[in-house]
Amino acid sequence: AQSVSQHNHHVILSEAASLELGCNYSYGGTVNLFWYVQYPGQHLQLLLKYFSGDPLVKGIKGFEAEFIKSKFSFNRRTPSVQWSDTAEYFCAVNAPGGGADGLTFGKGTHLIIQP
Amino acid sequence: ETGVTQSPTHLIKTRGQQVTLRCSSQSGHNTVSWYQQALGQGPQFIFQYYREEENGRGNFPPRFSGLQFPNYSSELNVNALELDDSALYLCASSVQGLNHEQYFGPGTRLTVT
Repeated sequence: AQSVSQHNHHVILSEAASLELGCNYSYGGTVNLFWYVQYPGQHLQLLLKYFSGDPLVKGIKGFEAEFIKSKFSFNRRTPSVQWSDTAEYFCAVNAPGGGADGLTFGKGTHLIIQP
Repeated sequence: ETGVTQSPTHLIKTRGQQVTLRCSSQSGHNTVSWYQQALGQGPQFIFQYYREEENGRGNFPPRFSGLQFPNYSSELNVNALELDDSALYLCASSVQGLNHEQYFGPGTRLTVT
């Protein structure tokens, strides 16, 4: 069975600090990797995705991530955080192709950016 | 804006009752997946519907059932509600076969008392 774990459940940073959120997954095959973000009062939005190819992927709002298969982690990086980045961040995986599996999510990282 | 809509926004039910939640998928999407998100947890996959049939299911009992209609909208039905069913129920739409990039709706907050 697939499992996903996120390194930090709560992160508090000041504006302009650097941020890296980690995610580890357990799955015996090729996977698709996603980061979703949930801003306060809003629905889940797709932030980043990795299917195959270049391990460095770029998403919305200036975020980027690097897929590191050997470490079984998918990290999300941003040069510096802003107050508006305060949100819940979820890592998710699923198997590629036309199968009927759903996404397996981590428990989320609650990020708070202090002005 | 994802285009996925859900109704109702909030719902309060009593233990033992039945509930129906509704979802309209994003234009051009033919697959609907349902998730349960308990407080402080990530979403958990309930099941997926494609071509009006359930074609994948997570670890949820049979009292969780669903439907998909010809216009790709979907319903989630939960019978014999239990207190632990209190959660945010999320609907996500996608296009079958396109690596499951899923787009989520705002969710329905169900409270079971």
